[in-house]
Amino acid sequence: GAVVSQHPSWVICKSGTSVKIECRSLDFQATTMFWYRQFPKQSLMLMATSNEGSKATYEQGVEKDKFLINHASLTLSTLTVTSAHPEDSSFYICSARARGGEKLFFGSGTQLSVL
Amino acid sequence: GESVGLHLPTLSVQEGDNSIINCAYSNSASDYFIWYKQESGKGPQFIIDIRSNMDKRQGQRVTVLLNKTVKHLSLQIAATQPGDSAVYFCAESTGAQKLVFGQGTRLTINP
Repeated sequence: GAVVSQHPSWVICKSGTSVKIECRSLDFQATTMFWYRQFPKQSLMLMATSNEGSKATYEQGVEKDKFLINHASLTLSTLTVTSAHPEDSSFYICSARARGGEKLFFGSGTQLSVL
Repeated sequence: GESVGLHLPTLSVQEGDNSIINCAYSNSASDYFIWYKQESGKGPQFIIDIRSNMDKRQGQRVTVLLNKTVKHLSLQIAATQPGDSAVYFCAESTGAQKLVFGQGTRLTINP
């Protein structure tokens, strides 16, 4: 099956620093990638949709200047949390969809803890 | 707006019994539905999907039922095993666009 690799699996950072999370499709070309955020005991909330080579589309209420998304190639998307604060602590999950496909393949998630 | 919800946040079943997890959705235009399993600290794992032109689909030990009239989706797990303990999410999409997740049901298995 299709594999999506997400790194790092966990990260601890100081308040005010920036953190980059990578999402790679290992055996398929991901024309569309999605970034989700999940707080404890809650569901996955879509943050943004990124298509290769174009700007990401952010969901309402998600600050595009704080959560920078880059989808520069068909196998890599990155999410950068800029000037992280404790309230940004969460589980971030990426998913990818191949061209013409309908199924989403999910990464293993990144637990971000901001001190 | 779009929303997918669940009736029960937790479900406890005896090992070996069948489990039924329910989900209600509100977007009548949704045409693709998926059930995911999520274990603690991991990403969602695909279980089974169904398109809106079907009302039932079976997999290995799992069955998904779709009732478009009342906008209800259910996941049936046969002969529940300890390894089935997890949080289960339903999700919906329209026209292969973004996926909207429900609130999740935590399934616990009693020995």
